[in-house]
Amino acid sequence: GENVEQHPSTLSVQEGDSAVIKCTYSDSASNYFPWYKQELGKRPQLIIDIRSNVGEKKDQRIAVTLNKTAKHFSLHITETQPEDSAVYFCAAENTGNQFYFGTGTSLTVIP
Amino acid sequence: DAGVTQSPTHLIKTRGQHVTLRCSPISGHKSVSWYQQVLGQGPQFIFQYYEKEERGRGNFPDRFSARQFPNYSSELNVNALLLGDSALYLCASSSGLAGVENIQYFGAGTRLSVL
Repeated sequence: GENVEQHPSTLSVQEGDSAVIKCTYSDSASNYFPWYKQELGKRPQLIIDIRSNVGEKKDQRIAVTLNKTAKHFSLHITETQPEDSAVYFCAAENTGNQFYFGTGTSLTVIP
Repeated sequence: DAGVTQSPTHLIKTRGQHVTLRCSPISGHKSVSWYQQVLGQGPQFIFQYYEKEERGRGNFPDRFSARQFPNYSSELNVNALLLGDSALYLCASSSGLAGVENIQYFGAGTRLSVL
C-alpha cells in the first residue's frame, strides 16, 4: 500500500510569517493529493488539493506544490493568522481510490 | 444538504465486547471509507466500500468488518474489543468515481473508549 510521511510534526510561527509542511509518498501511481485541516475536536476539513497533472495550485493564502518525480508535495501558508492554528494532514489517493494520510503537523501561530 | 453523519458520537465499551458504528454518506455519494484516528496521529485507512462492495482494506485484523447497504449507508463492526481499539472512528464519503473530483468529506466521527 501507499506510505505517506509528513514533516514537521509540530510547527510554531509568528503571526504574519509563512508556514511550510512537507509530505512524501511511496506509490508513484498515486494521483491525487489533498490537504486537510483539523481543529481540536472537529472533523478534518479539506482546504486544498492537487492532481498529478498539475505542479502548483493556489487559493488565496494557501498553496500546494507537487513534484511527481521526487514524490513529494508541500503546503504553503502565507501571512499566517491565529485562526490558522490547527493540525494539518496531507494525504495521497492511490489507483484504488483509497486515501493514506500523513501523521499530521500541529501548527501554532503566535500572535 | 446534510453532510456525512455518524452515530453514535460517543461510545464506551469494555474489553471483549463488540461494537457497531454507523455512517450515512452525503446524498448522491456511493463510496464510503472508514478510518481509525488514534490521538495525535493521522487517520488510518480501514475499509472502502463502493456500490455495496468492498473496494479496499487497510492493515487491520479480521476483528474489523464492514458492510454497505443499498442506500449507501455503512456499518463498521469491531469484535472482541481491545484497549488499543480506543480511538476516533471517522467515516468519509465521496462520489467514488476514479480521477474526477473524488473528494472525501468526513463525518464528525465516533469516539470509542474501551475500558
